[in-house]
Amino acid sequence: GQNIDQPTEMTATEGAIVQINCTYQTSGFNGLFWYQQHAGEAPTFLSYNVLDGLEEKGRFSSFLSRSKGYSYLLLKELQMKDSASYLCAVGDNTDKLIFGTGTRLQVFP
Amino acid sequence: GAVVSQHPSWVICKSGTSVKIECRSLDFQATTMFWYRQFPKQSLMLMATSNEGSKATYEQGVEKDKFLINHASLTLSTLTVTSAHPEDSSFYICSARDGGRETEAFFGQGTRLTVV
Repeated sequence: GQNIDQPTEMTATEGAIVQINCTYQTSGFNGLFWYQQHAGEAPTFLSYNVLDGLEEKGRFSSFLSRSKGYSYLLLKELQMKDSASYLCAVGDNTDKLIFGTGTRLQVFP
Repeated sequence: GAVVSQHPSWVICKSGTSVKIECRSLDFQATTMFWYRQFPKQSLMLMATSNEGSKATYEQGVEKDKFLINHASLTLSTLTVTSAHPEDSSFYICSARDGGRETEAFFGQGTRLTVV
């Protein structure tokens, strides 16, 4: 079956670094995506990993280990506007994107 | 970047009526679009895959007669919630990819459906 797990909630302080983990078990693998979603809005794309290793994009980085079925999203220099839900999604062996449970991140001053 | 437009943004309807939600790819052609439902504080649950020119593929547990999907052109998919009930109140979001499986999915703005 398809299973994608993330922590439900996390909190962090402005200016800090936070790591959001995602583990997955899916039928096939065509890449792992991270999306950010603010309440009441559609998700917006953050990153894509298909090969093992770290992808860095500004304050956000994403890591993938296919052998471990594991990814993390790293957010540096946290800002208040980073308070949102972060969704891990895996492309399976069709065209579908299967989403994880999502992690609600709250950043405090 | 690719744009997906969804309409309406929000709708309030009476119980028992039907509501149609449109999803358009504005600057690319999408042979496949995806419909998701999201309840408060939960993640996106895939409802169905909309295929241009053929029947939609529904996920397990989703009633195909209740959630009618039509994908009549390469840029438009519609989701009709038939005989809506309060438990159908949710955030419905469509998405499409401008390319293969290695490309990101672009999302519509979402439709907040409230059935009263």
